Amino acid sequence: DQQVKQNSPSLSVQEGRISILNCDYTNSMFDYFLWYKKYPAEGPTFLISISSIKDKNEDGRFTVFLNKSAKHLSLHIVPSQPGDSAVYFCAASDGGSTLGRLYFGRGTQLTVWP
Amino acid sequence: NAGVTQTPKFQVLKTGQSMTLQCAQDMNHEYMSWYRQDPGMGLRLIHYSVGAGITDQGEVPNGYNVSRSTTEDFPLRLLSAAPSQTSVYFCASSYSRREAFFGQGTRLTVV
Repeated sequence: DQQVKQNSPSLSVQEGRISILNCDYTNSMFDYFLWYKKYPAEGPTFLISISSIKDKNEDGRFTVFLNKSAKHLSLHIVPSQPGDSAVYFCAASDGGSTLGRLYFGRGTQLTVWP
Repeated sequence: NAGVTQTPKFQVLKTGQSMTLQCAQDMNHEYMSWYRQDPGMGLRLIHYSVGAGITDQGEVPNGYNVSRSTTEDFPLRLLSAAPSQTSVYFCASSYSRREAFFGQGTRLTVV
């Protein structure tokens, strides 16, 4: 059973507008969350992360929000650019589990059109 | 600055053949893992290792073997390839449960 869920397989946004990618998780032991970006024919690359002791983390155009009570996190991209078109994976880790093991969602394909 | 290197990038196998996907990292990371990516399925963990000599199974380990004799290398062996193992395989390494660094991937087709 998937412990990290990305229920929207795709999202299409106009350039300059906000992109919001959502992620839900079921394991209450998860205490660290990450977003990865993947272009075709490349490996995933780390984008941004957040610890469960925070509810927001910003890095330039990218902001991740965490709602622990709802077991929900979201990635906001403002403003969206065509180069942001990629698959975005949400991932989580369990503070009590094996070092470094990540649980991934199925990904959301973001398309940013001019 | 190599990071995580996977070889080969592409491979075609016949059903029943065996092969080894290579993964090497030069960052002295203790943790290494193998994932497969299939359409609509995201990244699924096959096997992982927390250090030389220590390996464990992930979500989808059947049909695959791993070993970790050195910190740098973590090969993935397909014992008897099946069409269901057609996928893109990614190796990753990390020094903590923070960000993992991924290789470029190996696209495997089993016919």
